[in-house]
Amino acid sequence: EAQVTQNPRYLITVTGKKLTVTCSQNMNHEYMSWYRQDPGLGLRQIYYSMNVEVTDKGDVPEGYKVSRKEKRNFPLILESPSPNQTSLYFCASSPGLAGRQYFGPGTRLTVT
Amino acid sequence: GQQVMQIPQYQHVQEGEDFTTYCNSSTTLSNIQWYKQRPGGHPVFLIQLVKSGEVKKQKRLTFQFGEAKKNSSLHITATQTTDVGTYFCAVPDAGGTSYGKLTFGQGTILTVHP
Repeated sequence: EAQVTQNPRYLITVTGKKLTVTCSQNMNHEYMSWYRQDPGLGLRQIYYSMNVEVTDKGDVPEGYKVSRKEKRNFPLILESPSPNQTSLYFCASSPGLAGRQYFGPGTRLTVT
Repeated sequence: GQQVMQIPQYQHVQEGEDFTTYCNSSTTLSNIQWYKQRPGGHPVFLIQLVKSGEVKKQKRLTFQFGEAKKNSSLHITATQTTDVGTYFCAVPDAGGTSYGKLTFGQGTILTVHP
């Protein structure tokens, strides 16, 4: 089944404790992206990747890192999480640049 | 980056009433996408509009792209409780160094009272 998977689905952590949210897709898509969703603000793009080793900043990249070492994986790294990064995070992939997005199930992160 | 305004933020309707959400941009768009997110779920792609003045239908849903390619609408005829959710538009950046960015509207939360 074609899908985007994210792990973990839920995470509660403390300020400053490094964490990684994994994202994997099995559709051989070149384009992958991370979004955060906050009430009233919609979905905001954090980072995107157009192919292996090619990444670029979205609208809200501060406090986040990404890497794209393999085509199928696009992890999101929070090196020193802060409470303002408490949010719902979605990974997405697309066969074309900024085209139709296939979203993962989401990761709800709480930073205390 | 690209800016897109989506209205209304909320819409409450009685089952059977119609519903419309609008997205407006100050710049000409290459295309616009629409997504639906059910409560507790993830966004799901509905459609992409590319041509000026384009109108597409999916059962009770009608999507329009303005003649100037600066605005778009999603209209639902005779809403049902299954239509509940948040509807988003999404637009790509125009190009240049940010080619590949996708900007989402703030979303319209639709509730349907049976």
